[in-house]
Amino acid sequence: NAGVTQTPKFRVLKTGQSMTLLCAQDMNHEYMYWYRQDPGMGLRLIHYSVGEGTTAKGEVPDGYNVSRLKKQNFLLGLESAAPSQTSVYFCASSYPGLAEQFFGPGTRLTVL
Amino acid sequence: SQQGEEDPQALSIQEGENATMNCSYKTSINNLQWYRQNSGRGLVHLILIRSNEREKHSGRLRVTLDTSKKSSSLLITASRAADTASYFCATDRGAQKLVFGQGTRLTINP
Repeated sequence: NAGVTQTPKFRVLKTGQSMTLLCAQDMNHEYMYWYRQDPGMGLRLIHYSVGEGTTAKGEVPDGYNVSRLKKQNFLLGLESAAPSQTSVYFCASSYPGLAEQFFGPGTRLTVL
Repeated sequence: SQQGEEDPQALSIQEGENATMNCSYKTSINNLQWYRQNSGRGLVHLILIRSNEREKHSGRLRVTLDTSKKSSSLLITASRAADTASYFCATDRGAQKLVFGQGTRLTINP
C-alpha cells in the first residue's frame, strides 16, 4: 500500500496563476484533510471532507477550494495564487472512530 | 488560531539522555495526540491519550495529560540520534479535526 500520496512534490507559481494539488489515499479512509505548514506556525487546517461529495471549511480556507469527487482523492485548488500562499501543503486521511491521521509527504509551493 | 503552545521551541540533548516536551491547550478536548516530523517529511503519529486518561506508555515514549491544567508532556527516554525531529502535539476537540501546536525541534547529539 502506498498510503497517502501527493502530487506534485514541488511547484513554483507566479502571482495570479492557478494550480491544483492532488491527494490520493489507498486505505479506504472516509475523512481527508488539507493543511498548510508555515515556519514557526505548526499545521493549520484549510479544508476537510468527511466523505465523497462533501467538503467543509477549516481554520484558514480563504483563497482555496477543494473537491472530493472520488473517495480516494481530495483536490486542493488555488484559483489565483498569492505570495502569502507560499507554504508546505500536507494532505492527511483517517476514518470515523480512528483518531490518528495518516499524512502524505507534502507539496512545497512557492508563489513569486 | 493555534490551540497548542509547545515548550520548549527547541531542545538539544546528548544521546542517551531523556527528552521532555510540553504542550498546553486552551479548550476542552476529546483526546491529545503527539506526532513526529522528520526534516522534509510528513507527520507520523506517535501516541494518543484520551481526555479520561492521565498517563500512557508506548515503548520509549511516555505521555501525561492534566486536563485541569490543560497540559500534556511527552517524555522520550534513552534518546537516540534517530529521534532527531520536530514533535507536535495536536488536540481533537471533536469531529476528528486536529489543531496543532507549533512544535518542538529536538536535536540528539552523538
